[in-house]
Amino acid sequence: EVQLVESGGGLVQPGGSLRLSCAASGLSFSYYWMSWVRQAPGKGLEWVANMKQDGSEKNYVDSVKGRFTISTDNAKNLLYLQMNSLRVEDTAVYYCATEGVIAPAGPIDFWGQGTLVSVSS
Amino acid sequence: SSGLTQDPAVSVALGQTVRITCQGDTLRMYYASWYQQRPGQAPILIFYGKDSRPSGIPDRFSSSASGNTASLTITGAQAEDEADYYCNSRDISGYHLMFGGGTKLTVV
Repeated sequence: EVQLVESGGGLVQPGGSLRLSCAASGLSFSYYWMSWVRQAPGKGLEWVANMKQDGSEKNYVDSVKGRFTISTDNAKNLLYLQMNSLRVEDTAVYYCATEGVIAPAGPIDFWGQGTLVSVSS
Repeated sequence: SSGLTQDPAVSVALGQTVRITCQGDTLRMYYASWYQQRPGQAPILIFYGKDSRPSGIPDRFSSSASGNTASLTITGAQAEDEADYYCNSRDISGYHLMFGGGTKLTVV
């Protein structure tokens, strides 16, 4: 059974930094693309970033490009999202998610339960 | 439009059939995926590709596509189907993913 558990969320002031982590069991990050998706309070889902299993390709939504960095530690089976220069509008629940586990080259399929990031002074 | 557009809210009578639509230019090139999100829970994948349903998803959920529109159909809606539904696909570049704004389904 695939399980994803996020951690690292919390309250941070505008301009600050946070690093989110996502631990996986039941699969290895070495074989799949991984994504971060966020959801602002009372709002819809927004894809944030994804990364190819070997790290050779990373993609970001325009609003976080240059501020957020997605990475993995495949030896520890951990996914990270380093978030710098945080803005009030980055406040959201952040989910890590797998891509293509159920079907090769498939969609986002398994999701964690999310971690809340609040950016406020 | 460069995004995915969904109706904000739809209602259906218990046991009846409802269709939730998603419109976007990139749907002419890529299939949509569909996610169900109940209050306070993470989304779950309920349909993807041309005609694929993950294991454990009831067969009352189906999907179709025509032109720039993808549709999720629930045949015989149940009370537990009351949730938010999101479509997802790739943008024009193929590298970025995007979600529709979501449709809140009420079962009355």
